[in-house]
Parts: sequence; C-alpha cells; structure tokens
Amino acid sequence: GAGVSQSPSNKVTEKGKDVELRCDPISGHTALYWYRQSLGQGLEFLIYFQGNSAPDKSGLPSDRFSAERTGGSVSTLTIQRTQQEDSAVYLCASSPPTSGSVDFGPGTRLTVL
Amino acid sequence: DAKTTQPPSMDCAEGRAANLPCNHSTISGNEYVYWYRQIHSQGPQYIIHGLKNNETNEMASLIITEDRKSSTLILPHATLRDTAVYYCIFNSGGSNYKLTFGKGTLLTVNP
Repeated sequence: GAGVSQSPSNKVTEKGKDVELRCDPISGHTALYWYRQSLGQGLEFLIYFQGNSAPDKSGLPSDRFSAERTGGSVSTLTIQRTQQEDSAVYLCASSPPTSGSVDFGPGTRLTVL
Repeated sequence: DAKTTQPPSMDCAEGRAANLPCNHSTISGNEYVYWYRQIHSQGPQYIIHGLKNNETNEMASLIITEDRKSSTLILPHATLRDTAVYYCIFNSGGSNYKLTFGKGTLLTVNP
C-alpha cells in the first residue's frame, strides 16, 4: 500500500521567507511525527501528534516553527522567517495505534539561501 | 530522553555476518528495543524490535541480553545494499510515546 508521502521533495527559499511542508501519513495511522536531520547529524525530534490529544511540541526549536494536523490526517509544518540554520531534511513519520514501529516518509530537503 | 550508546562506525565484508552492538543500560521493564536503518538520502526504515526474547525476521535477528541492558542486531549475510546508518532506540510503545534517535552506527559493507 501507499507509504508516507511528503511534498515538496526539495525546497529552496530565501532567508526571511515562510515555507510550508506537507505530510500525508498512512491511512489509519493515528500517530504522526516530524523530525529534522541536518547534514551528517542524527534525527532531531520536532513534534508529535497522537489522535485527538494535544500535540507534544517539545522539540520545536523556536516559535518560528509550528505544525498542524487537520482532520487527524494530513499535517503541515510551517517555518516562518526562515534562517540558514533551518536548512535540513525534514522527515515525517506515522504509526498505527497499537504498534511501536514507525513508517517514515522520504523527507523534504529544505535549503535556505 | 531515552539514551543508547552505539559505536560510530563499523565495517563488514560482503557475505559475512554484521553484528551491531547497542548499550541501553537505562531501559526500563516495559520499554522495547527498536532498530531502524537509514540508507543515504532516504528516510529511516524499521528493521526489528523486541522486549526480552530474541527475535528474528526476514531482515535481521535481534539478541537481547538477559539483563536487557544491551542488544545486538545481526545481519546474517551482509550485502552492499546494507550499507547504512543503523539506529538503536527504546520506548514503551503504546499510545503516548516519541522516538529519540541518537547518531547511530554507520555500517559499511565492503566487497
């Protein structure tokens, strides 16, 4: 079946612009995660959605970062006033309610010039 | 944060078994050990997980020590396509958890 999809696959933007990254999780997966990975680094947790519960936003690095999950499905990660240090691959993942294994999307490579 | 310790890199000859160690001395009784891998320029891929017993699937085997403070991921016949960063993590599963990834082990399979 279809896996987690993300769009765009690549995004180049200028410093100070806002960007929106989209994630379509696997149908029926109640948990959704956003991570980012800078070049040569491990995965950095950003935010976690689980069903109708309040999201865990503890990983968001600043108030320029926000995320929504509409209708318990599609999620959008928004970065306002982008900075060069925001350049990274942004990975979305989802998991079903009773399994600990997580399915990752292919990521969006964000480059801030 | 859940904390694991893995060697930063390992090498393995093609066709040989690759044994990747992980220390997770702070793991608690209800937390599972998970292994993921990330091939260059792709998202992480789930490999295997376990609680106490050793586990095997089509990709790998997982050996967990009796005290559960460490585990070993075994790729029985490594191929060049197994070259990747391998992450060992642990969490309690269930409905409210998040995964915390360390830097993993870069496994390089050599011809």
